[in-house]
Amino acid sequence: QLQLQESGPGLVKPSETLSLTCTVSGGSISSSSYYWGWIRQPPGKGLEWIGSIYYSGSTYYNPSLKSRVTISVDTSKNQFSLKLSSVTAADTAVYYCARRRLLGGVDYWGQGTLVTVSS
Amino acid sequence: DIQMTQSPSSLSASVGDRVTITCRASQSISSYLNWYQQKPGKAPKLLIYAASSLQSGVPSRFSGSGSGTDFTLTISSLQPEDFATYYCQQSYSTPQDTFGPGTKVDIK
Repeated sequence: QLQLQESGPGLVKPSETLSLTCTVSGGSISSSSYYWGWIRQPPGKGLEWIGSIYYSGSTYYNPSLKSRVTISVDTSKNQFSLKLSSVTAADTAVYYCARRRLLGGVDYWGQGTLVTVSS
Repeated sequence: DIQMTQSPSSLSASVGDRVTITCRASQSISSYLNWYQQKPGKAPKLLIYAASSLQSGVPSRFSGSGSGTDFTLTISSLQPEDFATYYCQQSYSTPQDTFGPGTKVDIK
């Protein structure tokens, strides 16, 4: 059974960089059939796609966040990572890592991790 | 960018009711539309992909229809465990997905 697990600090100071890692177990991140991505959800609000990465390293970002986002993959560790720079309180959210099928549909999600931006 | 809207934003229903949620895209997305269920404190769960295909393990009371810009999620007979928030998501501009704002289904 595929599992995804987010890890990283739960508290980040304003203007600093949010860094999260997703560890994939029970399957290979090098599969050509999927994208791997990050989705966030501010408290009490809806879902926002942040970006995705293919095992080859090709990346795709939400245009509204593109200038601040970097997603990378480490196939040797079966992990992919998110960096979001210059964070503000508006970036406070539950961050999910997820597996997205090539033709659409996010079929596996991590449990989510709450990241709070506060001094 | 493709924008997604959902209606209603919330609804109240009783166990056994037939429930319909609508999702509309700002441009044609063919059948690249997915539906998710999210319960409080949990990650979303994929219910329907490609507009009308039932994800493995999802009860058959859930169904999806539509193409182009207008889509529908139907729950044929609402069960107690179905009270949740439902989101549509377009995957036409793959993999730059967009989610709808959500529809909360609660108990009447």
